[in-house]
Amino acid sequence: EVQLVESGGGRVKPGGSLRLSCAVSGFTFSSYDMNWVRQAPGKGLEWVSTISTRSNYIYYADSVKGRFTISRDNAKNSLHLQMNSLRAEDTAVYYCARAVVVGARFDYWGQGALVTVSS
Amino acid sequence: YVLTQPPSVSVAPGQTARITCGGNNIGSKSVHWYQQKPGQAPVLVVYDDAVRPSGIPERFSGSNSGNTATLTVSRVEAGDEADYFCQLWDSGSDQGVFGGGTKLTVL
Repeated sequence: EVQLVESGGGRVKPGGSLRLSCAVSGFTFSSYDMNWVRQAPGKGLEWVSTISTRSNYIYYADSVKGRFTISRDNAKNSLHLQMNSLRAEDTAVYYCARAVVVGARFDYWGQGALVTVSS
Repeated sequence: YVLTQPPSVSVAPGQTARITCGGNNIGSKSVHWYQQKPGQAPVLVVYDDAVRPSGIPERFSGSNSGNTATLTVSRVEAGDEADYFCQLWDSGSDQGVFGGGTKLTVL
């Protein structure tokens, strides 16, 4: 069974940092591109970042470029999102999602981790 | 690249719901659709314009042409009430894009 489990969410003050992780199981992690998608409270989905299987292709939304860093550890079946210089507008549930290739559908999603940026 | 969806669509049980997703020449791109119920993660219901993942009822179908992609839900049931999002990859900017979402209400 494919499973994606996010962790590392919490409350942080504006300007602070937080690192999200996504632990996966039930599939060959190194064969899939991975993504982060977020959803602000009561709002729609927003794509955040994508990383290819060997980390040689990485993409970011303009809203997070220069502040967030996506990474993966294929040996540990884990995906990460380092979030720096956090702003109130980064408050959201962050989902990790699997894709067969960059640009393809997100076929499996985690349950999400809530990040709250507030003073 | 901007994807435009109607905020809401309402339909009676047993009728057909059509949810549109507008974008410039969207017919030349592959569009995916997700269903999200309150408090849950999104679920893929149609991909590559018109392909249903395994486990998704045949009542869900998709089409894409010109400047509009459409998700069609036939014989709507109460359990279909949810938010629906279209999504694609914009190769021009190398970024993922979601539509704003449509709330499907079953009357």
